[in-house]
Amino acid sequence: AQTVTQSQPEMSVQEAETVTLSCTYDTSENNYYLFWYKQPPSRQMILVIRQEAYKQQNATENRFSVNFQKAAKSFSLKISDSQLGDTAMYFCAFMKRGGNTPLVFGKGTRLSVIA
Amino acid sequence: DAGITQSPRHKVTETGTPVTLRCHQTENHRYMYWYRQDPGHGLRLIHYSYGVKDTDKGEVSDGYSVSRSKTEDFLLTLESATSSQTSVYFCAISAGTGTNYGYTFGSGTRLTVV
Repeated sequence: AQTVTQSQPEMSVQEAETVTLSCTYDTSENNYYLFWYKQPPSRQMILVIRQEAYKQQNATENRFSVNFQKAAKSFSLKISDSQLGDTAMYFCAFMKRGGNTPLVFGKGTRLSVIA
Repeated sequence: DAGITQSPRHKVTETGTPVTLRCHQTENHRYMYWYRQDPGHGLRLIHYSYGVKDTDKGEVSDGYSVSRSKTEDFLLTLESATSSQTSVYFCAISAGTGTNYGYTFGSGTRLTVV
């Protein structure tokens, strides 16, 4: 079974600074997806970024980028120019590709952006 | 984005009573999921469905049952609610392919069992 580990339960960052959230995972699969989801106080789950394991290039979405290290099974999220609206829970998630096997989540990192 | 609606948004119920949560989608997606979210645990899969009348158990299925008699509706039932089932429940669908693949979540149901 796949597991996802987020080792930082809470983090804080000053507005406009850069922060990196860590995620590691354990799998024997070679073809899979990795995701970062954001959950603000509204409770809504919002997809931040996705990475397909067969792609070497790290995914980016505006101020959000990932450092995907397949051999190390590491998938960290970097948030640049942090904004107050980035304050949220962030969840790393793994899914084996094909067959629609369900998404497996880490326990989350609570990020606070401080003015 | 897929239209996905959960009802109710909040519910308080007494221990031992049955409770049914509803998830409704408008775009005919085949796969639907129920997760629960608890502090320190992230989101954990309860049950999922891969078609009408086709369901399977997840990591934390004890005490829960599901039904899917129509593509658009996926119901989660707590036959006899317990305080340990106090949680936030999320429904999700999966859609897209390749670079567009992902899950879309409902807004969640906060269930309190007293």
